[in-house]
Amino acid sequence: NAGVTQTPKFRILKIGQSMTLQCTQDMNHNYMYWYRQDPGMGLKLIYYSVGAGITDKGEVPNGYNVSRSTTEDFPLRLELAAPSQTSVYFCASRGGDSYNEQFFGPGTRLTVL
Amino acid sequence: GQNIDQPTEMTATEGAIVQINCTYQTSGFNGLFWYQQHAGEAPTFLSYNVLDGLEEKGRFSSFLSRSKGYSYLLLKELQMKDSASYLCAVVDSNYQLIWGAGTKLIIKP
Repeated sequence: NAGVTQTPKFRILKIGQSMTLQCTQDMNHNYMYWYRQDPGMGLKLIYYSVGAGITDKGEVPNGYNVSRSTTEDFPLRLELAAPSQTSVYFCASRGGDSYNEQFFGPGTRLTVL
Repeated sequence: GQNIDQPTEMTATEGAIVQINCTYQTSGFNGLFWYQQHAGEAPTFLSYNVLDGLEEKGRFSSFLSRSKGYSYLLLKELQMKDSASYLCAVVDSNYQLIWGAGTKLIIKP
């Protein structure tokens, strides 16, 4: 199993550009999450999904959009990149049990200039 | 509001023992996780506590007191590879994880 994979690993965007961060998991997990982590800070939840076709906002959803058309994939879309979106983005998934750990992808380091 | 407090940074010596504390105030409680995060990498699971008491797993132990809103992670026989950030996260009443900012642990020879 590859676990949770994310692409790209690094990206530099100009202000106003758009991009999609890809996330795929092969563990048949229903729950998937997108976090951002700023330097020296904890993880902030952007969006999450409890299953295919169902998504919901987290703590910091502004400037982002998601979709969940399959169990495996949970892409994160930035429509108009801003410098405040410079961060490391982590995708995570977990199984159906509420007490299961979340498994994280390797992260995408995004810089907006 | 929801709040999780951890020390920002701690320093310890190789071979010693260190205790990393976490206090929390959240809307509901459905368990507490500890994760380890090496610089530039993703968090990885260390432990989960939902009942009061101590859970031991090799060199790492985690303690929970729900009445005090308090947990600690105890690391024994410290090794240089234990240099990392340690994140405390609480599962709230909506089964969402609320994350602390993490404690950066520096191990010196």
